[in-house]
Amino acid sequence: DTEVTQTPKHLVMGMTNKKSLKCEQHMGHRAMYWYKQKAKKPPELMFVYSYEKLSINESVPSRFSPECPNSSLLNLHLHALQPEDSALYLCASSQEAGGSSYEQYFGPGTRLTVT
Amino acid sequence: AQKITQTQPGMFVQEKEAVTLDCTYDTSDPSYGLFWYKQPSSGEMIFLIYQGSYDQQNATEGRYSLNFQKARKSANLVISASQLGDSAMYFCAMREIQGGSEKLVFGKGTKLTVNP
Repeated sequence: DTEVTQTPKHLVMGMTNKKSLKCEQHMGHRAMYWYKQKAKKPPELMFVYSYEKLSINESVPSRFSPECPNSSLLNLHLHALQPEDSALYLCASSQEAGGSSYEQYFGPGTRLTVT
Repeated sequence: AQKITQTQPGMFVQEKEAVTLDCTYDTSDPSYGLFWYKQPSSGEMIFLIYQGSYDQQNATEGRYSLNFQKARKSANLVISASQLGDSAMYFCAMREIQGGSEKLVFGKGTKLTVNP
């Protein structure tokens, strides 16, 4: 099973709402990632978790709050977002976070629209 | 800082022909890894092929091969016998180590259109 699942697939939220994105993998991977991708742009890394601990935060605004409850799950809690936060949010996992040739497996993404 | 450059915003190819997507990179690290990903309109990033800086041979995966020219710092993706389903965005990426963890830095991408 080389699948990374993400829910929901689509999300529309107001600027005062609180919502969460969920990501799950059952490949035994120990590294998990959140990326943000604007239309016609490459993915930009937001956070990296390695062995359930946050190892990279790319200076992401605090209205995005990641959480890794266990090695298979990764959440992204959203609060007081801005319209410019509308994007495709991609989750990925890899065997290790500092490995040499471990590819990252991506989920299908959540298309977020902030109104 | 590492950098990935993809100079072709869009490419067109006839079905069953081969196409080369360009990627150049810049790094001062002697050990690095290069990846190619495909992103269809559905959004999912699909891993295609990997090349390590110390690999002696060019990587191949089915119809995908990587033309790795280390001295020129290029890692071009070659797709042989193009299929309609190959129409997608293609991203070249480099592995970067930060704080003991790995991150991918992506190029801007090339949109490939396969014509029947």
